Amino acid sequence: IAGITQAPTSQILAAGRRMTLRCTQDMRHNAMYWYRQDLGLGLRLIHYSNTAGTTGKGEVPDGYSVSRANTDDFPLTLASAVPSQTSVYFCASTEGWRMNEKLFFGSGTQLSVL
Amino acid sequence: QKEVEQDPGPLSVPEGAIVSLNCTYSNSAFQYFMWYRQYSRKGPELLMYTYSSGNKEDGRFTAQVDKSSKYISLFIRDSQPSDSATYLCAMSEGSNYQLIWGAGTKLIIKP
Repeated sequence: IAGITQAPTSQILAAGRRMTLRCTQDMRHNAMYWYRQDLGLGLRLIHYSNTAGTTGKGEVPDGYSVSRANTDDFPLTLASAVPSQTSVYFCASTEGWRMNEKLFFGSGTQLSVL
Repeated sequence: QKEVEQDPGPLSVPEGAIVSLNCTYSNSAFQYFMWYRQYSRKGPELLMYTYSSGNKEDGRFTAQVDKSSKYISLFIRDSQPSDSATYLCAMSEGSNYQLIWGAGTKLIIKP
């Protein structure tokens, strides 16, 4: 059972470059989420999607964009990376659309922007 | 001041000890309380889920919510080295509200 697959596992990126973090789920869950995790700050929601074709902004959406063309894929794009976007990024899903449901997480992408 | 406060640790205890992990919060509207466990280089996984006040027990784990004090706790009995991880608390006002996360407490169980 794969659950949520994220790629790449880690990446070093030059500032100003464009980067897409990939996320795929095989659980047919309705909602998907992107979080960033920074030391001392906890998880912060970047964007979410309740169902294919819809997206919404989380707590820290600036500098990021997402799309949800189908149920399984939810890529996160950094159009022009900046050093403050250095973080660990987690993709997650919930079976339904409620934000307080059980979250299923991928293993994360460690991104360093230099 | 953060909405959810959690001591980052690390908290180091000997194997077999009872562990107490805690979070405090400021928003009295929170009703749903969760504990997630995160191993190094892995995503968090749900450990306990509690609605409103009271206790919930699952094996060696007990979650406790005290809404009057705005304080939640996770107790681990007979702690094992495999319990070594970072424990994250998360809470929400309801189904349409984002989860608010604590920063996590790193727990180390010494054999």
